[in-house]
Amino acid sequence: GAVVSQHPSRVICKSGTSVKIECRSLDFQATTMFWYRQFPKQSLMLMATSNEGSKATYEQGVEKDKFLINHASLTLSTLTVTSAHPEDSSFYICSARDLDSGGDTGELFFGEGSRLTVL
Amino acid sequence: GQNIDQPTEMTATEGAIVQINCTYQTSGFNGLFWYQQHAGEAPTFLSYNVLDGLEEKGRFSSFLSRSKGYSYLLLKELQMKDSASYLCATLDSNYQLIWGAGTKLIIKP
Repeated sequence: GAVVSQHPSRVICKSGTSVKIECRSLDFQATTMFWYRQFPKQSLMLMATSNEGSKATYEQGVEKDKFLINHASLTLSTLTVTSAHPEDSSFYICSARDLDSGGDTGELFFGEGSRLTVL
Repeated sequence: GQNIDQPTEMTATEGAIVQINCTYQTSGFNGLFWYQQHAGEAPTFLSYNVLDGLEEKGRFSSFLSRSKGYSYLLLKELQMKDSASYLCATLDSNYQLIWGAGTKLIIKP
């Protein structure tokens, strides 16, 4: 199946700093990528939908100025957590849809996830 | 509103069969996914159903009934490595994924 690579897998940063997480589709082009956040023992929560060449669509309650999403190419989307605070510590996961597989909707593939710890 | 229900936790024995149910109520429907997630890792894709019926893929099968808003994931010949959370998710009319809270499956020897 298709591969989505996410980097870094783990990051520890000081409060007030910014952290960038990259999500790459390695063997397919993804016009749409999704960013999720998962707190311990909770389900995945969609943060935003990243569209290549246009602004991301954020879910209700997600601060667009805090979680900056850039989807500059068909294979790369980045999530930047700005001025991170301890409450931003979480597991962040990206996914991308391969429209060439899975029929009309396309199969969804996930990155490995990035565990962010803000001290 | 949109809602997906699945049991919080299930226990089964190695070598046995287990069925994990999922019921959903969503605004529009463009398919249902099952994902497996081991602790601390990202989910991995198991199955996708958009038409009624049973889809079989090795030891795992997934069933969908759109009229009943119901799906199940069937795991056969359970192995210890199958201990994980199993997430049910639907695609709504805007192609947004709506996630269930997941079912933690515990496999005992």
